[in-house]
This record gives sequence, C-alpha cells and structure tokens, in this order.
Amino acid sequence: GAVVSQHPSWVICKSGTSVKIECRSLDFQATTMFWYRQFPKQSLMLMATSNEGSKATYEQGVEKDKFLINHASLTLSTLTVTSAHPEDSSFYICSALNLAGADTQYFGPGTRLTVL
Amino acid sequence: SQQGEEDPQALSIQEGENATMNCSYKTSINNLQWYRQNSGRGLVHLILIRSNEREKHSGRLRVTLDTSKKSSSLLITASRAADTASYFCATDQGYGNKLVFGAGTILRVKS
Repeated sequence: GAVVSQHPSWVICKSGTSVKIECRSLDFQATTMFWYRQFPKQSLMLMATSNEGSKATYEQGVEKDKFLINHASLTLSTLTVTSAHPEDSSFYICSALNLAGADTQYFGPGTRLTVL
Repeated sequence: SQQGEEDPQALSIQEGENATMNCSYKTSINNLQWYRQNSGRGLVHLILIRSNEREKHSGRLRVTLDTSKKSSSLLITASRAADTASYFCATDQGYGNKLVFGAGTILRVKS
C-alpha cells in the first residue's frame, strides 16, 4: 500500500513552454501533498504544500505564479511550471500524507524536467 | 528553514561492514526520519523516530536520536551492495508535517 505515482517520469521541453506534472496517491486519500525540487547532487528542497480544496502554501523564494499547484481531489495534485527556463531544469518530487493520520510522507518516483 | 547537516558526505565501505551516517539539525522537532534514494529515483522511507524516543531498530537498521545534541545516527549493519544509495535525514519541526531534509550521505558498498 501507500503508493504515490508521478507522471511524466521525465520531460524535455523548449524554453518558454509550460509543463504539467501530476502526483497521484494510488491507494489512499491525501488531503496534503508536498512538492520538492532536487538539483543534481543536492538534497530536496520543499517548494510548496498542496492542500485539497484550498490554495497551496509556498516556501519563501518560490514564485507561486511560476509554479502553479492545483489539488482538486484527494488523490491528485498537479504542479505546472509556467514559462519554463533552463534554470528550472531539475528533479521534481511529490509526496503525500495519508489521510489516516500517519506521520510518514510517501514519495513519488520523481519527474526529471529538462528545459532546452 | 535551514537544512540539517549530514556527515560524512560520502562513505565507501566493503560489503559486510557496518555503515554509520550522522545527521544534525538546528531546531526542536516532532520526529526525525531517514530516507534512501537510489540514483535518479524517488525516496524510500526507512524509519521514523519520535522526539521522545532514543533508539529504534528495523531489520539491519538502527537509528539513534539525541535531542540534547540535536543529532541522529543511522547504522546499517552487514552492508550489502544493494545498500548503495544516498541517505537523507529529514526533520518534522511541527509545521504542518513539513520536512526539512539534510544534505545527505552518499553510501557506496563495494562487493
């Protein structure tokens, strides 16, 4: 149980285009999902907290208009990187908190974004 | 939020040896968690230790927590080549289950 998927697993796009990444909890409901970014050989940095039915909460320094988050259901959160630039190239990872109340976040497999 | 620190940054050992990784953090926490990440992949949750716990075991893993020193250690006993990965500690500092990750330790187990 506690499986989280991400789609796509990798994407290459041209500078200026927008890219949508999906995060799904497959076998549990999640009112809260988190989006992280990981640059090569670095640790994970929290970008934002996605709450079902309400606006996302962004960490300091993360542009909310550039990284649009939608959490429309208890099993799906999406991150849209708008007008992507090469510096947005990174590994984006989501995680989900089980509604049952466990403290453990379950992580997706990540999405590798390369912006040309 | 500040990231925690982990040491060593990289560790290379022979199969069968034990591997110890350390993590330090700066603020009070609800719990501390250890994760493993294989190259280019997502994170696998290994173990969670709460702030009122001092030691926890799971299979070949042993985690200690010293809240007075704001530090934790992860011990992997009898390491295997398949343990080769990056290991991260992450602290739940009580802000809506948000996690602050350490810099990570790259472990290489040579067969």
